[in-house]
Amino acid sequence: DIQMTQSPSSLSASVGDRVTITCRASQSISTYLNWYQQKPGKAPNLLIYSASLLQSGVPSRFSGSGSGTDFTLTISSLQPEDFATYYCQQSYSNFRTFGQGTKLEIK
Amino acid sequence: EVQLVESGGGLVQPGGSLRLSCAASGFTFSNYWMSWVRQAPGKGLEWVANIKQDGGEKYYVDSVKGRFTISRDNAKNSLYLQMNSLRAEDTAVYYCARHYGLGSYPFDYWGQGTLVTVSS
Repeated sequence: DIQMTQSPSSLSASVGDRVTITCRASQSISTYLNWYQQKPGKAPNLLIYSASLLQSGVPSRFSGSGSGTDFTLTISSLQPEDFATYYCQQSYSNFRTFGQGTKLEIK
Repeated sequence: EVQLVESGGGLVQPGGSLRLSCAASGFTFSNYWMSWVRQAPGKGLEWVANIKQDGGEKYYVDSVKGRFTISRDNAKNSLYLQMNSLRAEDTAVYYCARHYGLGSYPFDYWGQGTLVTVSS
């Protein structure tokens, strides 16, 4: 199975900061990489798919990049509603796998 | 409006069985792959199983193979997860999710989740 590793596992930042989360795949997955945001007690919400495509309705401060094995999610200017947990997921294989998550907390 | 509504969760003893359902509406259910994803309390997301539009392909995470069965009824717009030989480590919120039909086929819609607790 394809393993997905996110870093960091947690991150403290302030409103207005630029934040980057990294995701690494154990093998090349081309651009079959998705990012989700999850808030406590809620279902995950799709932010980015195909590594860099913004899902409809998602603010443009979110962006994604990468291909092969290394990917990043960037939030250009943190807003209060962005404090949540973020997951990457590969969809290269039918055996879908998620990263372990990155919890973004208020500094 | 796309809606996915899970049901069937609850408390079950180790070794017991449970069947989860996911009722879909607002889209042509038979056109989409579907998945089950779970989240243990305080833990991350774990993909469990998925099924092709016609039910002809199914895939499972290793930890549930031989114990869980994913199925669908396109006439009823419903997805199911039959869970047998349940273990404490299967305790989680179970979500159903739709695979978007383009690009990297992400999960674009999710249900609200149903809690399964395996405990004596």
